[in-house]
Amino acid sequence: RKEVEQDPGPFNVPEGATVAFNCTYSNSASQSFFWYRQDCRKEPKLLMSVYSSGNEDGRFTAQLNRASQYISLLIRDSKLSDSATYLCVVNMANAGGTSYGKLTFGQGTILTVHP
Amino acid sequence: DTGVSQDPRHKITKRGQNVTFRCDPISEHNRLYWYRQTLGQGPEFLTYFQNEAQLEKSRLLSDRFSAERPKGSFSTLEIQRTEQGDSAMYLCASSLSPKSPEQYFGPGTRLTVT
Repeated sequence: RKEVEQDPGPFNVPEGATVAFNCTYSNSASQSFFWYRQDCRKEPKLLMSVYSSGNEDGRFTAQLNRASQYISLLIRDSKLSDSATYLCVVNMANAGGTSYGKLTFGQGTILTVHP
Repeated sequence: DTGVSQDPRHKITKRGQNVTFRCDPISEHNRLYWYRQTLGQGPEFLTYFQNEAQLEKSRLLSDRFSAERPKGSFSTLEIQRTEQGDSAMYLCASSLSPKSPEQYFGPGTRLTVT
């Protein structure tokens, strides 16, 4: 089983649509969670961190369910510029909060927003 | 530009040759990471440094791969006797401190082994 699993898509949605991506992770020691965005042939860019209480940044909402080891990203009012690959990412830490360093990435979910 | 920089951006080499990549992290970031990404996959962790100490190496990092960060600033990743399977994007990232897990990536070095 992969450590981080995502539906690879692709998701093809019209402008203005709401789209949701899901992700599951296998290691219960995971402590930090992120969504990164990656444009074609570019580097991953941090989109948002994911907190236990859920968090929102403009049109983007991230949720974390530790009991189910499940992370989600909701994009409202999709724009053409949202077209990209969205990577679900986890990081482990020790009890003192020191990060173990490596990020573990899902395969990525491809989103295409069309006019 | 104060982001992570990598050099070169592209490298084409023949099988069996050695290649070396450089990464300059964001200033004052004491952790530096190397990842490899192939088409259709997320980045895979290779190794990371805290200051000049190499703290972890992935099983993906065969004996042909070596990484250094001699003064705790820039880092180099060398691949000896390259193979076609080494063709990938090599990404470098940095983070501020052990308590700050957010990592910021450079533009990557795309390696093609012919």
